Amino acid sequence: AQTVTQSQPEMSVQEAETVTLSCTYDTSESDYYLFWYKQPPSRQMILVIRQEAYKQQNATENRFSVNFQKAAKSFSLKISDSQLGDAAMYFCGGFGNEKLTFGTGTRLTIIP
Amino acid sequence: GAVVSQHPSWVICKSGTSVKIECRSLDFQATTMFWYRQFPKQSLMLMATSNEGSKATYEQGVEKDKFLINHASLTLSTLTVTSAHPEDSSFYICSARGLAGGYSGANVLTFGAGSRLTVL
Repeated sequence: AQTVTQSQPEMSVQEAETVTLSCTYDTSESDYYLFWYKQPPSRQMILVIRQEAYKQQNATENRFSVNFQKAAKSFSLKISDSQLGDAAMYFCGGFGNEKLTFGTGTRLTIIP
Repeated sequence: GAVVSQHPSWVICKSGTSVKIECRSLDFQATTMFWYRQFPKQSLMLMATSNEGSKATYEQGVEKDKFLINHASLTLSTLTVTSAHPEDSSFYICSARGLAGGYSGANVLTFGAGSRLTVL
C-alpha cells in the first residue's frame, strides 16, 4: 500500500519568483517512481517531472526540479522563474505495486 | 509524445441508462490502463486497473457491476457506467501505461483529457 500527502492546499507566488510545493509519501515497495503532474483548468493531466526511487540524483526539467529525500520520504517540487502559465493544480503521485496514487493536490496561483 | 484519446469529452444522460467511455492509446501499445474519478476540486481517485486480456482489478469500494471495464486490445479500454444515477455524475479520466521499452515507457503514464458525465 502507498499513500501520498500534500499538506499545502493552496500556494501563491509572484511571477518570476521561486516556489516549492511539498509532498511526502509512504510505501512498502522497494521499487517505485514519483511524479508531479499539473492539471490546468482544462483538466488535462500533464506530466511535469518524474523521479526513479533508485536514483539519488534529483530530477530536473528546465525550470522544474525536485528535492528527493528518500530516507525522509519527501519529494518536493521547485518551480523557478514562475510564469503565468504555471498556474494550475499540482498533484504529487507515487507509482508502485502497479498503481499510481495521488495526493490531494496544491492549487498554485501566480501573481502578476 | 505519447497520446491518449478519451471519448466522449462530455456526456449527458438520463437516469437509468448506460454510458460508455472509450480510452485509446494512439501511438503506443498500452499494457495497462487506469481509470480514475475526480470530484470537483478534489484529487483523482483510482477506480480500477485493467490489463489487456484480463479482468479489471477494482479498488475497494468501487462497484464492479456498476462500472464495467473492458480492455480488449492493447490500444483500447472502455468504461461503461451501467444504470447511471445522478450520484455517478463526475469527471472520469483514463491513463495508459506503455510496454517496457516502448515509446511511452514502462513507467510513464499518459492521461486522456477526461470525460465529464452528467446524469439527469
